Amino acid sequence: EPEVTQTPSHQVTQMGQEVILRCVPISNHLYFYWYRQILGQKVEFLVSFYNNEISEKSEIFDDQFSVERPDGSNFTLKIRSTKLEDSAMYFCASSESEGGAETQYFGPGTRLLVL
Amino acid sequence: TQLLEQSPQFLSIQEGENLTVYCNSSSVFSSLQWYRQEPGEGPVLLVTVVTGGEVKKLKRLTFQFGDARKDSSLHITAAQPGDTGLYLCAGDPNSGYALNFGKGTSLLVTP
Repeated sequence: EPEVTQTPSHQVTQMGQEVILRCVPISNHLYFYWYRQILGQKVEFLVSFYNNEISEKSEIFDDQFSVERPDGSNFTLKIRSTKLEDSAMYFCASSESEGGAETQYFGPGTRLLVL
Repeated sequence: TQLLEQSPQFLSIQEGENLTVYCNSSSVFSSLQWYRQEPGEGPVLLVTVVTGGEVKKLKRLTFQFGDARKDSSLHITAAQPGDTGLYLCAGDPNSGYALNFGKGTSLLVTP
């Protein structure tokens, strides 16, 4: 069964450093998403991406964040200068088409720890 | 204020018991999705409900979407220890891209 994969599974970084989180969405999916989950809190939407453009973003997704689809299979989330409060699980998701009834499938997540 | 309120927050039952968990909102959703999440892992999709009043069954799990498409329930029959986990409902009232998640119901089924 096709699945979303993410690398690395864990990342430890120093405050102020740049990190890139990587995702390989399900191959025939066209819509890609990033969510985060701070420990003990609910899953929060960050950004959605379609046709090489951001289609929607939340207030969390500020100028420190960027997304890219560098090739036909990868989808990345970059945090330019990490803060302590960026420590969280980051989940990538993908769907065949846009919102509404379309189901999003999630990857296993990257646990980011900023020291 | 939570867009999606899930109840109860925690539930501890014995194997063989039945249970129902709820996902409520004041907003109308074009669809709601139910996920199950294990500690340290990503949400795994269980079902998507789309039509008001719809009932979907997944083995011992029964999902219902309210007639007004503002709420949903998950009923588990004869719970087993393997059902232990965090059950999340999620949806976007704007029929867009951003899934709003509830805080979840943490279920513990003991043998």
